[in-house]
Amino acid sequence: GDSVTQMEGPVTLSEEAFLTINCTYTATGYPSLFWYVQYPGEGLQLLLKATKADDKGSNKGFEATYRKETTSFHLEKGSVQVSDSAVYFCALSVRSNDYKLSFGAGTTVTVRA
Amino acid sequence: DTGVSQDPRHKITKRGQNVTFRCDPISEHNRLYWYRQTLGQGPEFLTYFQNEAQLEKSRLLSDRFSAERPKGSFSTLEIQRTEQGDSAMYLCASSPMGTGGGEQYFGPGTRLTVT
Repeated sequence: GDSVTQMEGPVTLSEEAFLTINCTYTATGYPSLFWYVQYPGEGLQLLLKATKADDKGSNKGFEATYRKETTSFHLEKGSVQVSDSAVYFCALSVRSNDYKLSFGAGTTVTVRA
Repeated sequence: DTGVSQDPRHKITKRGQNVTFRCDPISEHNRLYWYRQTLGQGPEFLTYFQNEAQLEKSRLLSDRFSAERPKGSFSTLEIQRTEQGDSAMYLCASSPMGTGGGEQYFGPGTRLTVT
């Protein structure tokens, strides 16, 4: 079945550091890939997405590239801020599965001033 | 711009009681999904609707759980005879049908605590 494996946390960084969260997937067909972010006490917000191979999703300084050859969708940000502290979820959906989202376990990121 | 809303945000109940949660999706979205998230885990799919039709239910959804979406608008998720294992965050998401990306927009969630 469809599944997502993402880097375990927690990750603690200093402000302005470089962030990478690894995500790999297994899927039948051609999935769309997503990163969602969850701030404390809140629901999930869509951070970025990519729908086909070699697409790059970007938003708020975050980027991720859909790599079909390595089945990966790693999240990166060049200079993190304290406000980026949150839990990040990698997810996929496949049209043949009615676009139900399959999520990774989440990575908790804490950025210290 | 009104997003997905859920009510209540928090619910504390005693074991054995029934609870009902409500989700109001983005108005033009045809699809509505329910997920459950336990501490330290990613959300897991429970069920989804296309308009008023419930098209799939996960094996996670025991017969104590029922969901409805009358008239294809808001949805309710009811849990009967709650158990401590039902304690979780219940998330609702909506999506426009036919979207090429399949992205879903989530509400703030209802946190259920069963004592």
